[in-house]
Amino acid sequence: QQQVKQSPQSLIVQKGGISIINCAYENTAFDYFPWYQQFPGKGPALLIAIRPDVSEKKEGRFTISFNKSAKQFSLHIMDSQPGDSATYFCAASRGNNNDMRFGAGTRLTVKP
Amino acid sequence: DAGITQSPRHKVTETGTPVTLRCHQTENHRYMYWYRQDPGHGLRLIHYSYGVKDTDKGEVSDGYSVSRSKTEDFLLTLESATSSQTSVYFCAISEMGSGGTDTQYFGPGTRLTVL
Repeated sequence: QQQVKQSPQSLIVQKGGISIINCAYENTAFDYFPWYQQFPGKGPALLIAIRPDVSEKKEGRFTISFNKSAKQFSLHIMDSQPGDSATYFCAASRGNNNDMRFGAGTRLTVKP
Repeated sequence: DAGITQSPRHKVTETGTPVTLRCHQTENHRYMYWYRQDPGHGLRLIHYSYGVKDTDKGEVSDGYSVSRSKTEDFLLTLESATSSQTSVYFCAISEMGSGGTDTQYFGPGTRLTVL
């Protein structure tokens, strides 16, 4: 069973809008929550990550919000740009990171 | 790509044939991983290595074996390929990031088709 559930599967946003992707996890032992961005034909690339001791982390236009009690975390992309069009994966792992579990991915399209 | 190369980048093979995929890194990272990526499943860990000759199973290891005889090379072998192993395979390495968090960096992938 998928330990990290991601939604939506696909998302279309207008340029300048806010893109929001949500993830929920089951295993309370998870303590590291990264988001990866993947362009067609490329490997996933780390975008931003958070640990459960903080509720929010911001890097430029990208923000992770983390709700430990609800076992949910989300990625917000502010002022979305056509260049942000990609597939985004959330993930979760615990301890030494040798059992990272990924969500199924969200294909984001930002329309000009 | 954190100095990670994968070969071949594309391969078409027939059911029942053995296949070996290679991951090569240039930066002496201790941890290396093999994932497969399939629509609707994200990435799933097949095997990982924590040093030369030290490997362990991941979430979807059945039908796969790995070997690591040198720090820089991590091989994934499909002993007898099946159509269900048609997928895109990614190698990753782990590098300690800020705050003591291991960050995984991925290679460019190998697209494998089993007919």
